[in-house]
Amino acid sequence: DAGVIQSPRHEVTEMGQEVTLRCKPISGHNSLFWYRQTMMRGLELLIYFNNNVPIDDSGMPEDRFSAKMPNASFSTLKIQPSEPRDSAVYFCASRRDRGSNQPQHFGDGTRLSIL
Amino acid sequence: EDKVVQSPLSLVVHEGDTVTLNCSYEVTNFRSLLWYKQEKKAPTFLFMLTSSGIEKKSGRLSSILDKKELSSILNITATQTGDSAIYLCAVELLNAGNMLTFGGGTRLMVKP
Repeated sequence: DAGVIQSPRHEVTEMGQEVTLRCKPISGHNSLFWYRQTMMRGLELLIYFNNNVPIDDSGMPEDRFSAKMPNASFSTLKIQPSEPRDSAVYFCASRRDRGSNQPQHFGDGTRLSIL
Repeated sequence: EDKVVQSPLSLVVHEGDTVTLNCSYEVTNFRSLLWYKQEKKAPTFLFMLTSSGIEKKSGRLSSILDKKELSSILNITATQTGDSAIYLCAVELLNAGNMLTFGGGTRLMVKP
């Protein structure tokens, strides 16, 4: 079974540039989550979608961050303009809501470095 | 504010040792507690605990939840170098879209 697929694996760019991170959830999963992981703050939830609809974006740090889920098999997280403090590993996770006690499954993450 | 705290922050042991990792939480509307193992990439799911006092076991790993003490432990017996990783505890909240609040993790290093 294919897991959660994220791209790119690594991204290095200069501050001010637009960054787009991509995620393909596991087929059949109807909830999708974007996280950011740093040494200082650990794993933080940024936003999550249920059935392609954004439900809670209270974790999105600033207006520079935006996320979309145009269909059940694709989501993007965009940062525009990027800043050095955005450097982190960004994870996408998905979950099947139907049935009980289903865990979130994580992708391998995108390591983002803003110079 | 919902809070999940893990201890110790880091741990160094030798192969064959037994380790116990701790997770405590202060949250409203608790639904379940999850343990993940993170090596170099994605956190991988280990256990989900919903009921107090029932041990979940997978090979050398086991975990139990104590809802009275608002805590959980993860035990690893006969540790191996492949157990070296960051172990993450997360709490899932009721009526919150199954959002997870993560602890800061315990970094375990198992030396040969």
